[in-house]
This record gives sequence, structure tokens and C-alpha cells, in this order.
Amino acid sequence: GNSVTQMEGPVTLSEEAFLTINCTYTATGYPSLFWYVQYPGEGLQLLLKATKADDKGSNKGFEATYRKETTSFHLEKGSVQVSDSAVYFCALMEAGSYQLTFGKGTKLSVIP
Amino acid sequence: NAGVTQTPKFQVLKTGQSMTLQCAQDMNHEYMSWYRQDPGMGLRLIHYSVGAGITDQGEVPNGYNVSRSTTEDFPLRLLSAAPSQTSVYFCASSYGTSGTVHEQYFGPGTRLTVT
Repeated sequence: GNSVTQMEGPVTLSEEAFLTINCTYTATGYPSLFWYVQYPGEGLQLLLKATKADDKGSNKGFEATYRKETTSFHLEKGSVQVSDSAVYFCALMEAGSYQLTFGKGTKLSVIP
Repeated sequence: NAGVTQTPKFQVLKTGQSMTLQCAQDMNHEYMSWYRQDPGMGLRLIHYSVGAGITDQGEVPNGYNVSRSTTEDFPLRLLSAAPSQTSVYFCASSYGTSGTVHEQYFGPGTRLTVT
């Protein structure tokens, strides 16, 4: 079956530090990959996505590249802000499906 | 558009009680789903629907029922609540065009405690 593994954290960074959250996946087919963000007390919002190998998704300064050879989709941001404090979820969706398979989430805290 | 709305935001039940979590969307999305979020577990799919009158089970369906009589509404029913169902529940929806990957929109969640 499908699965997503991401670093569990929590991760604490100082403002303007570089962020990497690792995500690897196992899938039987050729999935699309997503990063969702959950701010405190809210639902999940799509942060970025990639639908095929070597695609780079980007949004709000965050980036992730779909690496088929390493089955990875690591999230990066060059300079984090306090407002980036949230829980980040990596997820996949098999082609032809509407079902998302999520990782366990990584809590990020950014301190001034 | 209100997007995906869920009611109530918070609920406390006693073991054995029943209740319905409401979910509605005003985006004319075909696909709707229910997830539960537990600490250290991520989100797990409970039930989903690809259109009115069509529902199917996800990863953790036991103890929950759903129905989809309209495109807009997708209620989740707990027939006899158990402490193991203490969780945060999220409803999500998306367009259902086959062959295209569409963003899923999530509601704000319902925090349920069963004592």
C-alpha cells in the first residue's frame, strides 16, 4: 500500500534560518505529491504540489521538488518567519484517485 | 463562497451517545471526504463520496456512517460513540474531474471528546 514518511519534529528554528523538512513516499503507481500546512486552530491548506517527476512546486517562498529516483519530496524555505509556525503535512495521491495519504506531520516553531 | 463549513466546532459526548457531524460545501464539488486527525498519526480517511448517492469506505470506517443525498452536504454519523473516537474531524472537498489532480479544500474541523 501507499505510505508517506516525514521527519516528525518538532522543529524549532530562529527567524531567517533555512528550513528543510524531509518527506519520502512509497506508492504502487505514479502519484502526485503535496505539502499541506495547518496553522494553529485551523484546517489544512494546500501549500504546494507537484504532479510528475522533476516538477518543482513553490508557494510563499517554500519549494519542493518531485524526485522519483529517491522517492522524495522535501520541503525547503530559505528564510523562515515567525508566521511560518505551523504543522506541515506531506501527502500523496495516486493517479486516478481522489484519496490523499498523509504523513504524520511536522510541527515547526519559529522564534524571533 | 463560504468554502467548506463544519458544525459544531466542539462537542463532548458520553460513551454510547449518537451524533452527526455536519459538513457542507458551496463550490459544487463532486468529491467529499471525512478524515480524523490524531496526535502522531497524521490524517486518516474515514469515508468518502464521489457524488450524490455514492459513498465508500476509507482506511478507518468502523463506527461511522455517511450518506450523500445532495452535492452540498456530507454528514458523518457516530451511532454509538466510544472513547477511541475522541479526535479532530476534518471534512474536505474537491472537483472530481477524472484524470486531473485537483486541490482538496478542508473545513475548519470539529473537535470531539468522548468520555
